[in-house]
Amino acid sequence: NAGVTQTPKFQVLKTGQSMTLQCAQDMNHEYMSWYRQDPGMGLRLIHYSVGAGITDQGEVPNGYNVSRSTTEDFPLRLLSAAPSQTSVYFCASSYEGTAFNEQFFGPGTRLTVL
Amino acid sequence: AQKITQTQPGMFVQEKEAVTLDCTYDTSDQSYGLFWYKQPSSGEMIFLIYQGSYDEQNATEGRYSLNFQKARKSANLVISASQLGDSAMYFCAMREGEDSSYKLIFGSGTRLLVRP
Repeated sequence: NAGVTQTPKFQVLKTGQSMTLQCAQDMNHEYMSWYRQDPGMGLRLIHYSVGAGITDQGEVPNGYNVSRSTTEDFPLRLLSAAPSQTSVYFCASSYEGTAFNEQFFGPGTRLTVL
Repeated sequence: AQKITQTQPGMFVQEKEAVTLDCTYDTSDQSYGLFWYKQPSSGEMIFLIYQGSYDEQNATEGRYSLNFQKARKSANLVISASQLGDSAMYFCAMREGEDSSYKLIFGSGTRLLVRP
């Protein structure tokens, strides 16, 4: 199993550009989430999904869109990049059904917006 | 109000000694779970240990143990016999409610440096 994979690892954008951060998992997990980590801070939830076709907003959703057309993929779209979106982005997945659901994290995407 | 508070931005520990990383939390839910993650300089998030709010015994995983004091709303991580490879950022996180681990709330982290 590859686990949770994210592409690209690094990306530099100019203000106003759009792009999609890719996330995929091969563990058949129902739950997937996107977090951002700003320097010196913990992770903050952007969007999450509890299954294909179901998404919802987290703590910091503004400026981001998500969709979940398959169980495996959960892309994060930046519609019009802003310098405030410079951050490290983590995708995570977990399975449902028990109180303890470890979230498996991808390696992260480091995004810089100029 | 912060839901997860880690008051130690940075800590030092001598190799082979034990160290405690503090975490306090705030929730009105009766059912919740507490996690600790390690983030080395390479950046990945590594799960260490989990404690459920109904678990009566403190969780342990190898050299990691979680000192869970429910009345004080604290969930401190204890690392015994520190190793150089333990140098990293450590994050405390919480899920609120049943079966909601897809939306964890994280603290700001503690940077641990292990001295040889």
